[in-house]
Amino acid sequence: AQKVTQAQTEISVVEKEDVTLDCVYETRDTTYYLFWYKQPPSGELVFLIRRNSFDEQNEISGRYSWNFQKSTSSFNFTITASQVVDSAVYFCALSEALERDKIIFGKGTRLHILP
Amino acid sequence: NAGVTQTPKFRVLKTGQSMTLLCAQDMNHEYMYWYRQDPGMGLRLIHYSVGEGTTAKGEVPDGYNVSRLKKQNFLLGLESAAPSQTSVYFCASSPRTGQGYYEQYFGPGTRLTVT
Repeated sequence: AQKVTQAQTEISVVEKEDVTLDCVYETRDTTYYLFWYKQPPSGELVFLIRRNSFDEQNEISGRYSWNFQKSTSSFNFTITASQVVDSAVYFCALSEALERDKIIFGKGTRLHILP
Repeated sequence: NAGVTQTPKFRVLKTGQSMTLLCAQDMNHEYMYWYRQDPGMGLRLIHYSVGEGTTAKGEVPDGYNVSRLKKQNFLLGLESAAPSQTSVYFCASSPRTGQGYYEQYFGPGTRLTVT
């Protein structure tokens, strides 16, 4: 069965610090897709990134970077030089190729960036 | 394009009342989903649809019914509301792509309180 674990329920850092949000997943499928979504205080869910299981290259987008490691079943998200606007709940999610109709979400990590 | 819209944004029901939540998307997406979000639980899939006229159960379908009579609309019904259905409900849609993954686009959410 597929499962996504975000062990960090809540994190607080001071602005300009770097912060890493952990995501560990479980799947029996060899082909799968991983996602990160952001939910700011306004409540909407914003797509950030997707990764497929065949592409282990790390990705960087501005201050955001993602580290995908199949060996540890992890897909961690790092924010460099955090800003107050990064305060949000972040969700990691998994979709298996055999059940690609569905995405399973982790419980989320609430990130507080303190000014 | 409006993307994914949800009606209503807020609603208060009394136990036993019924209501229908409407989700509409103008992106011509094949797939549509209904989730509920509860504190500490992340997003849980209620029902989903892979095309007009088809629906399927998700992780927590009990107490809900859905219909997809038109491709652009996905309705979520509560026949007899219970306090346990107090939640924020999100609708999402996704395209059927050739790359095998399905990025989901979310609506703004409906906050439902059952007293």
